[in-house]
Formats: sequence, structure tokens, C-alpha cells
Amino acid sequence: QLQLQESGPGLVKSWETLSLTCSVSGGSMTSTTYSWGWGWIRQSPGKGLEWIGIMSYNGDTYYNPSLKSRVTVSVDTSRNQFSLRLTSVTAADTAVYHCVQYDMSSGWFDPWGQGTLVTVSS
Amino acid sequence: DIQMTQSPSSVSASVGDRVTMTCRASQGLSNWLVWYQQKPGKAPKLLIYLTSSLQSGVPSRFSGSGSGTDFTLTISSLQPEDFATYYCQQAKSFPLTFGGGTKVEIK
Repeated sequence: QLQLQESGPGLVKSWETLSLTCSVSGGSMTSTTYSWGWGWIRQSPGKGLEWIGIMSYNGDTYYNPSLKSRVTVSVDTSRNQFSLRLTSVTAADTAVYHCVQYDMSSGWFDPWGQGTLVTVSS
Repeated sequence: DIQMTQSPSSVSASVGDRVTMTCRASQGLSNWLVWYQQKPGKAPKLLIYLTSSLQSGVPSRFSGSGSGTDFTLTISSLQPEDFATYYCQQAKSFPLTFGGGTKVEIK
């Protein structure tokens, strides 16, 4: 049973870059040939659940168009980790950020990391 | 983008009640619809995928139905641990989008 855990700063200044890492335990990110993706979802009171982006098992990336110009999802299978980078953040980016595993064939997210609150301050 | 609308936004029910909630998509999804349960302070938990396929370990009192633009999640006999917020998600196309949630509260 895979477990995901987010880590990174809980406070980021406006116009700086938000960087989070998701550590995968309980198995290897490359242990199967199944079509998994690795990605990020954020949740805020104002916007609910918002999908940010995914990197698929073959390296393709898919991003939410609303964030595409600012976001990068990358995967480091040697460290069993993947990362989120969001540039030029504003208060609107304040949210709980969840890392997730994504089933590329059926479109569901499971498991989810517990989430980490990132607050953008001026 | 495909817009997902859930109703009602909240429902009050008692243990043992049958609870039904709906999710409507702004365009046809075929059966590309997913349901999650979220409890306060916790991450969402996968319940149902492809409209009606129950995730392993999810109690059989949960069921999903529908196709096209209208989908339903039913809890046949509400249990104390089922009080939570439920979200639908369309898996038809990127960007993936979620509904606003239905909160099941204790009556």
C-alpha cells in the first residue's frame, strides 16, 4: 500500500516560488508497468478542489490551463519522490496542497497525501 | 473545461437513512465519473470510479449510477462513519475538474 507525504515550506512570500516535494513509501514508483501518473491537487475554501497537474509514467505532463504558465511537476524515481513548482505566487495560491497518484486508464486519484497548508503572504 | 455541479450542497440525515446525492456535468462524460469521501482534516478517499465500480475495501452500502451528464451516489443505510463531504470528479478530459461537494450532516 503506497503512502504519500508532502513536505515543503508552509509560508511563501508573494511573487516567489512555491516548491513542494512528495515522498512515496510502501513501494517503488517504478515497481509496476501499470499506467500511473503522479500529480498535485490543491484545496481552498474559495475554490474547492482544484487539479494542478500530472506527470505520467512515460514522462508526459498535463497541467491545468489556469496554472500552466507557472507550474512544473517533475518526478525523481531514483529517490521515490516527485515535486511541484509554482512560480509568482499570490494570495490566491494559498491552499492545502495534496500529492496524488493518478490512474491514467480510469482517471481516479488514489492514494492522496494528507496535504500541506501553504500560505502566501505579502 | 467541464463544469461539475453537485446537489444538494448539504443534506441532513439519520443513521440508517438512505441518502442520495447527484452530480451533473456540463457535457457528456460517458461513464468517466469518480466519487470521493472527505472527512474534516483528512485527504479525500476514493470510493467509486467509472461511475459504478466500487474501490476495494469500500462498503457495499455505497453505490454509483448514471451516464452522460447525470450521476448519482447512494448510501443505502447511512452509518455514523459516513458523515462527511462527498465530491465527484470528471475523468473524461483534461483539465480534470471536481464538483463543489455534498456535505452529509447528522440530523
